[in-house]
Amino acid sequence: SSELTQDPAVSVALGQTVRITCQGDSLRSYYASWYQQKPGQAPVLVIYGKNNRPSGIPDRFSGSSSGNTASLTITGAQAEDEADYYCNSRDSSGNPWVFGGGTKLTVL
Amino acid sequence: EVQLVQSGAEVKKPGESLKISCKGSGYSFTSYWIGWVRQMPGKGLEWMGIIYPGDSDTRYSPSFQGQVTISADKSISTAYLQWSSLKASDTAMYYCAQGATIADFDYWGQGTLVTVSS
Repeated sequence: SSELTQDPAVSVALGQTVRITCQGDSLRSYYASWYQQKPGQAPVLVIYGKNNRPSGIPDRFSGSSSGNTASLTITGAQAEDEADYYCNSRDSSGNPWVFGGGTKLTVL
Repeated sequence: EVQLVQSGAEVKKPGESLKISCKGSGYSFTSYWIGWVRQMPGKGLEWMGIIYPGDSDTRYSPSFQGQVTISADKSISTAYLQWSSLKASDTAMYYCAQGATIADFDYWGQGTLVTVSS
């Protein structure tokens, strides 16, 4: 399968921890990348590889993977973390064509 | 500072052609992948294709193969996305993005809104 499945919406209380998951067969072979997108803005890469954060991404963002599931964890969610989150992985040819449908995170 | 600056919004009619651009600066343009992503109104992200300007290696998502053409001009550090015959369903925001590998794109353009309407 070349699809990635995400929960459409997740909510978290301010300061609490939230895990956003992504499932798909390709995740057995490749790590997921995670992108954050706020309304009216371009996506921002927040996690890539095993658990790497680009420069400028707070360390409350972390990634993990097990079997066919990748997870993005936000430890101590802040109001500014409210956004859509997309996972991305590769297809069987190694190309990055596979996006999840996105998870809308609400910080209460 | 790495920057990707995309061309401005376009309003076109069905059947017209279009070429939008993405100019990179602040890095070695030939050493990084450039990708194009579509986002239809209110929808998620879709990879369209990627190009490595250093050797012009170009790959298309199966969903977009034959529908668009991706190219790059190394001399002016600019990548392009073009259509030969637009459809109303091409109405979307289009983003370019830069990555050191084909899996991780960590710099993005501001987006180009393309509206196709009769």
